[in-house]
Amino acid sequence: DTGVSQDPRHKITKRGQNVTFRCDPISEHNRLYWYRQTLGQGPEFLTYFQNEAQLEKSRLLSDRFSAERPKGSFSTLEIQRTEQGDSAMYLCASSFAGTSGRGSYEQYFGPGTRLTVT
Amino acid sequence: GESVGLHLPTLSVQEGDNSIINCAYSNSASDYFIWYKQESGKGPQFIIDIRSNMDKRQGQRVTVLLNKTVKHLSLQIAATQPGDSAVYFCAEADFGNEKLTFGTGTRLTIIP
Repeated sequence: DTGVSQDPRHKITKRGQNVTFRCDPISEHNRLYWYRQTLGQGPEFLTYFQNEAQLEKSRLLSDRFSAERPKGSFSTLEIQRTEQGDSAMYLCASSFAGTSGRGSYEQYFGPGTRLTVT
Repeated sequence: GESVGLHLPTLSVQEGDNSIINCAYSNSASDYFIWYKQESGKGPQFIIDIRSNMDKRQGQRVTVLLNKTVKHLSLQIAATQPGDSAVYFCAEADFGNEKLTFGTGTRLTIIP
């Protein structure tokens, strides 16, 4: 399977604990995106990377959230001191941007990590 | 702020009939629109896209129509099948803005 993969698929944690999710994009894709999706809603943009550089962060990404893509391949999203309001599906997507710098809007999504904070 | 929304939250269609899912957008600067299909427990799956310089685009059993005058987007699915049951999202982006803005989705149920 050469699609976007995410790990773990499900995570249950207690309030106040830290969690980390991993995303492996499609191998030739240089852009990687994180979205959050709550029940019955569409995905909401959190942040995106071009190679290893984090280029935009949503105001939804509070100080407790941090994302990295150290080698321009896989990415991690960490949530510190989790709160019940963090319970959601965390989706990763990837795309390819050409040398012109203009991105490809065709983003391919992974299966998501469902986080439940108790 | 700018938003993308859907007219109907649920739609039930008889198997074999055509489905039409509608979407309204408010960002007049949007130049790219996508339809995604999301099945339970899975991530959104790309269906079809359209740029603002077009008003119609066809794929396999799907057609997307764009009416920029009234800021309306629709997805037509021909000869619906049980596997078409899912939540459908429209999303939009404008030039240079890398993020997609999604609507709340329409749940399509195919009646056998």
